[in-house]
Amino acid sequence: KNEVEQSPQNLTAQEGEFITINCSYSVGISALHWLQQHPGGGIVSLFMLSSGKKKHGRLIATINIQEKHSSLHITASHPRDSAVYICAVETSGSRLTFGEGTQLTVNP
Amino acid sequence: EAEVAQSPRYKITEKSQAVAFWCDPISGHATLYWYRQILGQGPELLVQFQDESVVDDSQLPKDRFSAERLKGVDSTLKIQPAELGDSAMYLCASSLGSPGADTQYFGPGTRLTVL
Repeated sequence: KNEVEQSPQNLTAQEGEFITINCSYSVGISALHWLQQHPGGGIVSLFMLSSGKKKHGRLIATINIQEKHSSLHITASHPRDSAVYICAVETSGSRLTFGEGTQLTVNP
Repeated sequence: EAEVAQSPRYKITEKSQAVAFWCDPISGHATLYWYRQILGQGPELLVQFQDESVVDDSQLPKDRFSAERLKGVDSTLKIQPAELGDSAMYLCASSLGSPGADTQYFGPGTRLTVL
């Protein structure tokens, strides 16, 4: 079993829909990261959180430390949100362990 | 805005050849990471540097892979000899190095194809 599990693996939505991507982990962490990867490979950090909730524009990330679970929400989704969303947990020494990613496709 | 630079962006080589990838982190970032990402999977850490010292290379296949960061700035990852299974995206990232409060900034990656 992977230390970081994401669901769903693939997600297709219509423009405007509310989207949720889930991440569960099994190890003790110092922080959890959500990242976005566009075709071609570039990875951008979206959020780093260790408790509660963070919001940036239409993106919201939450974490429940007791349940070892985090969610990434996208409100009013748009085709430009189409990308792979990756959850990563930070353990000792700033090491990141990544989930396998969720491929999101938003159709117009 | 400062970025992590990597070169080359694409590399095609034949198996048993040697390949090298270069990374220039954001200025002032003490920590540098090399990751390998196989298509359809998340990145996997190969090696982590703190300044010029290796902090973690537990997942680096040391029989064929080597990495150095001689002056604690830019870094080189080498594969010799390359094998078919090494085909992947090789990502470099850098950060200030503050555990629990540390954003990693990724370069564009080098896509390696081994024929």
